[in-house]
Amino acid sequence: EDQVTQSPEALRLQEGESSSLNCSYTVSGLRGLFWYRQDPGKGPEFLFTLYSAGEEKEKERLKATLTKKESFLHITAPKPEDSATYLCAVRGGSNYKLTFGKGTLLTVNP
Amino acid sequence: NAGVMQNPRHLVRRRGQEARLRCSPMKGHSHVYWYRQLPEEGLKFMVYLQKENIIDESGMPKERFSAEFPKEGPSILRIQQVVRGDSAAYFCASSTDSGTDSYEQYFGPGTRLTVT
Repeated sequence: EDQVTQSPEALRLQEGESSSLNCSYTVSGLRGLFWYRQDPGKGPEFLFTLYSAGEEKEKERLKATLTKKESFLHITAPKPEDSATYLCAVRGGSNYKLTFGKGTLLTVNP
Repeated sequence: NAGVMQNPRHLVRRRGQEARLRCSPMKGHSHVYWYRQLPEEGLKFMVYLQKENIIDESGMPKERFSAEFPKEGPSILRIQQVVRGDSAAYFCASSTDSGTDSYEQYFGPGTRLTVT
């Protein structure tokens, strides 16, 4: 069974203070690792897909990286508008479904 | 360019009533997935459908829950005889094709079901 563990559960940063969120996973035959952002009362918003170890993707202040056991979401010089819950999910083997972690609640203070 | 649409956004039902949740996928998408998010829990997969076919319902409770995606119209998640434990946010996602490597699921805004 696919499993995803995200840490920390919650993270408070000052504006401009860079940090990283962790996503550890176990999956049989990774078909993709996905990062989403979720704001309160809204649906998850797609950010990145990573397919193989060593792959990296960037979008504005966010950079996602992937190894064989974990993924990191690096946030550089965050702004208050980056405050949200960040979700990590994997798709494995012949499954169609995504298996999600519980998320990291990021708060960026001005 | 409309995204995934879900309605209603909020639904209140009394115990024993039926709940019907609707999902219209993004334009050009023919694959629909339903997930449930309970308080303090992560998103959990429920069911995967293509037009007129249920492909994977391994995450659906065995009783009271059913889903369909007819040839015409939105996908429907139906919960019969709701209980308080069914209170949750229900999200629909859609994708173009689950078999390709460029596979991404896009989510709707969700339906918040409250059972009183």
